[in-house]
Amino acid sequence: EDKVVQSPLSLVVHEGDTVTLNCSYEVTNFRSLLWYKQEKKAPTFLFMLTSSGIEKKSGRLSSILDKKELSSILNITATQTGDSAIYLCAVALNNNAGNMLTFGGGTRLMVKP
Amino acid sequence: EPEVTQTPSHQVTQMGQEVILRCVPISNHLYFYWYRQILGQKVEFLVSFYNNEISEKSEIFDDQFSVERPDGSNFTLKIRSTKLEDSAMYFCASPRSRTNTGELFFGEGSRLTVL
Repeated sequence: EDKVVQSPLSLVVHEGDTVTLNCSYEVTNFRSLLWYKQEKKAPTFLFMLTSSGIEKKSGRLSSILDKKELSSILNITATQTGDSAIYLCAVALNNNAGNMLTFGGGTRLMVKP
Repeated sequence: EPEVTQTPSHQVTQMGQEVILRCVPISNHLYFYWYRQILGQKVEFLVSFYNNEISEKSEIFDDQFSVERPDGSNFTLKIRSTKLEDSAMYFCASPRSRTNTGELFFGEGSRLTVL
């Protein structure tokens, strides 16, 4: 059975701190790993990673994939209260459905002022 | 970010009633997905739809569920006889590209409450 596990389950930090969120996966026929941010409703896209060792960066957020370790990390530097959300990791498989994503349970991040 | 729109935003229904949730995916895309998220749980894949046919479905997507494309732009998810455990947020999603590569963009969701 395909599995995506995220850690920690939740995290409370203060503004300005740096956080690292973890995602590990055990899937057959891996295609890509995606990170999403979920605030109130819909997951909003952050990154898609397909190649090992290549960091993707967007402002204070960055992410990298390690295919050998079957894992990925999402870093957020200089956190702000607006970063408070659930961060979701998902893996896309190479199958007929193309973008059938298997999601992890999420990491709930709370950033205090 | 490309737009995927869903209606209604919230629906309350009695157990056993039929429910239809609607989605307008990214324009001119042939691929289309439904996911659901029970409160406090993981986002789960329900079904993928390509060129007017189901291409893949999960174990959750049983005979009570159906997906249709009633016209050129709208897609619907129908639950024939709702159960309490169908209460969840239902998301439709479109891939970035028409060839189904790239990331998925999600609609704002339809919250279904079954009483």
